[in-house]
Amino acid sequence: DTGVSQDPRHKITKRGQNVTFRCDPISEHNRLYWYRQTLGQGPEFLTYFQNEAQLEKSRLLSDRFSAERPKGSFSTLEIQRTEQGDSAMYLCASSHISYEQYFGPGTRLTVT
Amino acid sequence: TQLLEQSPQFLSIQEGENLTVYCNSSSVFSSLQWYRQEPGEGPVLLVTVVTGGEVKKLKRLTFQFGDARKDSSLHITAAQPGDTGLYLCAGADRGSTLGRLYFGRGTQLTVWP
Repeated sequence: DTGVSQDPRHKITKRGQNVTFRCDPISEHNRLYWYRQTLGQGPEFLTYFQNEAQLEKSRLLSDRFSAERPKGSFSTLEIQRTEQGDSAMYLCASSHISYEQYFGPGTRLTVT
Repeated sequence: TQLLEQSPQFLSIQEGENLTVYCNSSSVFSSLQWYRQEPGEGPVLLVTVVTGGEVKKLKRLTFQFGDARKDSSLHITAAQPGDTGLYLCAGADRGSTLGRLYFGRGTQLTVWP
């Protein structure tokens, strides 16, 4: 039984660099979500895919952020020109029923 | 602005004690989820409640959804050190079919042996 996987688990980058994270959802789940979590806060919604279609984006997702799910399976989240404020845990979740979301282990991003 | 307010923010108790944590909102949710999160890991789904007044039990954990679907509580009986973690509640927007979850800030529970 494979759950949601994310890669890498940790990423340290210098300010101004671009980073890309990958999420592999549970295989039969057609819905995929990205959230961001900072210290002392609960996860905050970033964006949502149903199959390959990106159906909703949060205002938190600035122009420097882009997400794709090209074949309705894995997804990538790219951050361009990273800033120190981007440091956070980036969480991916997938679901078959929309409200029962199963999370991956997250990617911890540190921008120096 | 947090849609969901959790209390207390921190809870430190001895093994064997009982505890209750609360999740409150002025908004109505179509469903409410409780997750537990360990440091450096993603949240793990514990339970989903959908019907107002619903009570679900998971071993020593009892979850209740308020009649008006605006609040929820989690009660742990005879807490154990393995219960230590961040407990998060999350609500699904009643008016949305997209499934975005709104999370509270969590209750950090520490159970001492």
